[in-house]
This record gives sequence, C-alpha cells and structure tokens, in this order.
Amino acid sequence: DAGVTQSPTHLIKTRGQQVTLRCSPKSGHDTVSWYQQALGQGPQFIFQYYEEEERQRGNFPDRFSGHQFPNYSSELNVNALLLGDSALYLCASSFGGNEQFFGPGTRLTVL
Amino acid sequence: EDQVTQSPEALRLQEGESSSLNCSYTVSGLRGLFWYRQDPGKGPEFLFTLYSAGEEKEKERLKATLTKKESFLHITAPKPEDSATYLCAVQGYGGATNKLIFGTGTLLAVQP
Repeated sequence: DAGVTQSPTHLIKTRGQQVTLRCSPKSGHDTVSWYQQALGQGPQFIFQYYEEEERQRGNFPDRFSGHQFPNYSSELNVNALLLGDSALYLCASSFGGNEQFFGPGTRLTVL
Repeated sequence: EDQVTQSPEALRLQEGESSSLNCSYTVSGLRGLFWYRQDPGKGPEFLFTLYSAGEEKEKERLKATLTKKESFLHITAPKPEDSATYLCAVQGYGGATNKLIFGTGTLLAVQP
C-alpha cells in the first residue's frame, strides 16, 4: 500500500501566479481533505472533497479551489498567490469521516 | 468555537525520563480526538483515535488517555527516536463534522 502521495514535493512561485498541487489517496479511501500548515503552527483545514464535490470548507478565500476526480485523487488550486500563502500543504485521505491519513506534503514558497 | 490547546510548547527530556503531554479541548460534541506525530518537513503520522472519556490506547512507549476536557499523551522511557512534534486534533459533531481542528503541537526533544 503506497499510502497518500502528493506532488510536487517542493514548489517556488512568485506573487500573482497560480499553482496546482496534486494528491492521490490511500487505497480504499474515498474522501480527501486539504490543510495548510504555516511554520510552527498546526494544520488549518481548507476544504474536503467527497464524491467529486466540495463537502466542507474552512476559512479560506475563493482563491483556493479544488477538484476531485472519479478515481478519488484530488487537486488544490491557488490563484493570485500572496507571500502569506507560503506554507506546507497537506493532503489527508479517509474512508468517510474516519481517521485521516496524511501525505508527505508540498512545500510552497511564494517570492 | 471549537478549540485545541497543547502544552507545553516544547519539552526536553533525557533518554528514559518519562513525561506527559497535555491537550485541552472545547468542542460542541466530541466525535473523536486524534494524536499525530510529525517529523520536520514531513506530514503528520497517525498515532491514536480516542472517542469517549475514560478510553485509553497504547502503542510501544506511548499511551493516550481521554477525559471530558483534555487528553494526555504519556511517554514512558523515551528514546532519541521519539523526538518529534506531537499534534492533537479534535473532530466535532457541530457544523463541519469531518474537519480536524489542530493544536499548535508540542515539540519533544529526547537527549541520549
């Protein structure tokens, strides 16, 4: 079992650009959640996808959007990047609302 | 508002010196409390889920307990490889039922 995988590992962008991060869930999982973790902080919930629809959303602006594909993989898109968007972006998968298992994360740096 | 507070922020132990980490929470109906371990630059690694007051779970040198207001992660005879940040998170029944609300973590350093 490969577990949750994320790509890319690291990414450097400039302000105003757009970025797409990708996540493949653990085998057998159907729900994907995205979190943002700033340095020294706990992860903050961005949104959750189930059956290809956004089921819940945290306190993040509309610049953050996502998608879930029929194979349960997911993408996180961030438009008009700000310096404050620099963080570790984590994807977590679960079966329904049970324990969430995290991927290794994507480190995004915005210059 | 649902909230999680972890203490201490940082803890330094000698190898073999047992201690406990605290996680205090307020949530409108607890669906589950979760402990994760996170190494620098990596994603959180799942450790335990606790569902009701009085419940305990153990894994190697770690033991997690739960009351109605807080959870403890007890570390018995720690080794240097236990050094990491330990995160506590809750999942509530009110509002967004599936999201995890995290504390800021306890950074544990175990010296040989």
